[in-house]
Amino acid sequence: EAAVTQSPRNKVTVTGGNVTLSCRQTNSHNYMYWYRQDTGHGLRLIHYSYGAGNLQIGDVPDGYKATRTTQEDFFLLLELASPSQTSLYFCASSLGANTGQLYFGEGSKLTVL
Amino acid sequence: GDSVTQTEGQVALSEEDFLTIHCNYSASGYPALFWYVQYPGEGPQFLFRASRDKEKGSSRGFEATYDKGTTSFHLRKASVQESDSAVYYCALGNNAGAKLTFGGGTRLTVRP
Repeated sequence: EAAVTQSPRNKVTVTGGNVTLSCRQTNSHNYMYWYRQDTGHGLRLIHYSYGAGNLQIGDVPDGYKATRTTQEDFFLLLELASPSQTSLYFCASSLGANTGQLYFGEGSKLTVL
Repeated sequence: GDSVTQTEGQVALSEEDFLTIHCNYSASGYPALFWYVQYPGEGPQFLFRASRDKEKGSSRGFEATYDKGTTSFHLRKASVQESDSAVYYCALGNNAGAKLTFGGGTRLTVRP
């Protein structure tokens, strides 16, 4: 069973605050993803990576940075958080391109006041 | 760009009812199509996929058939149970890249 672990599970910050969401996968998967989930919009891709040091731009990247430090670890950075970034964030991993079988973590709820 | 449209935002049924959730897509090329399910408090889980026209994907009693002519991949189940209550996402994966594009999701509530 694929394992993707996110931290923190809940985070509250203020406008302009600095937030880092962490994700670790222990399945030797090449691809990792960050999605945000909002009612009415479903899941929207922020950034993704196909290996350590690699970063690809997703569909809604504005206001977010990401870094893949190792094959296991993928971080999402919000350097000047805004209320519009209040959302449920999911990390996911997959073995390779186009398999379509993503393994998701349990989510990180971020509230920006 | 690629997009996925799920017609129903919410569906409410009784146990043993027939389920249909409509999914239509717009994409260049020949995308693979997917269904994911998300239970409360969890991340989405892969349900099944289809990669070719007329291919049927299925899992746990759910099924969908890839229809290139109507650009659709509708989810169906003959007899739903209360435990099927969840949010269902249709998605496409284009060969041009490694990312999935998800629809807006459909919340299914099944009454006992």
